[in-house]
Amino acid sequence: DSGVTQTPKHLITATGQRVTLRCSPRSGDLSVYWYQQSLDQGLQFLIQYYNGEERAKGNILERFSAQQFPDLHSELNLSSLELGDSALYFCASSLTGGNEKLFFGSGTQLSVL
Amino acid sequence: KNQVEQSPQSLIILEGKNCTLQCNYTVSPFSNLRWYKQDTGRGPVSLTIMTFSENTKSNGRYTATLDADTKQSSLHITASQLSDSASYICSGGGADGLTFGKGTHLIIQP
Repeated sequence: DSGVTQTPKHLITATGQRVTLRCSPRSGDLSVYWYQQSLDQGLQFLIQYYNGEERAKGNILERFSAQQFPDLHSELNLSSLELGDSALYFCASSLTGGNEKLFFGSGTQLSVL
Repeated sequence: KNQVEQSPQSLIILEGKNCTLQCNYTVSPFSNLRWYKQDTGRGPVSLTIMTFSENTKSNGRYTATLDADTKQSSLHITASQLSDSASYICSGGGADGLTFGKGTHLIIQP
C-alpha cells in the first residue's frame, strides 16, 4: 500500500459529461501529481501541485483542471468528456516535489461511452 | 521534444533466469532517471532513482545502470521470480517533469 488514496476506482460516464477524480496524498507529502495512462501513450504527466500552488503543467487539456486544497488533497476535473479521454488516471505524491521518490495511488479507470 | 524509448516491448523468460531491460532517453535538461515496476491494474512502484552523477543503483535483485554520455540506462533483474511478472517503466526527469517510456512487459514462466 503506497499510502496514496484515489477515488473512485472505476467511473463510467457518457460523452459531454463532467467528472471529478479525488486524491489524498501520503501523510506528510506536500506535492501531488496527476498522470494519464492509456495503452498506446504510456504515462503522461498532466499537472503538479505543491502545498496548494500549481508548480508544473504538462500535457493537460484546457477541458481538464485541477486544484490542491488546504488539507493537501487534490481533485482533477474533466469536462466535456470525449471517447479519447478513456484512460487510467493516476495520482502520485512526494514530500517536496524534488528529485525524490514518487508514491502512486491505484488509479481511477475512466470509461467514456 | 523529450523522449524515452524502451526495449524490448515484451519479454518472456524462465523462472530463475536473469534479464536486462533497456532505456534510451532524450531529456533536457536531465536531472534524474527512474525505473518503476507496474503490476496489472496497479500504480507504478519506484525501484530506483539515479542522478546524472550515479552509474549504478541496486534495490534487492534489481540493478539499474546509467550512462549519461550515451543517454542509456538498463535494468538488470537477477534470479527472476514469478512475482517479477509486470511492466517495467523507465522515466527521465527534466525541468518540465517526468517523461515516461511505454514500458517493457515482462513475463516469468515457471
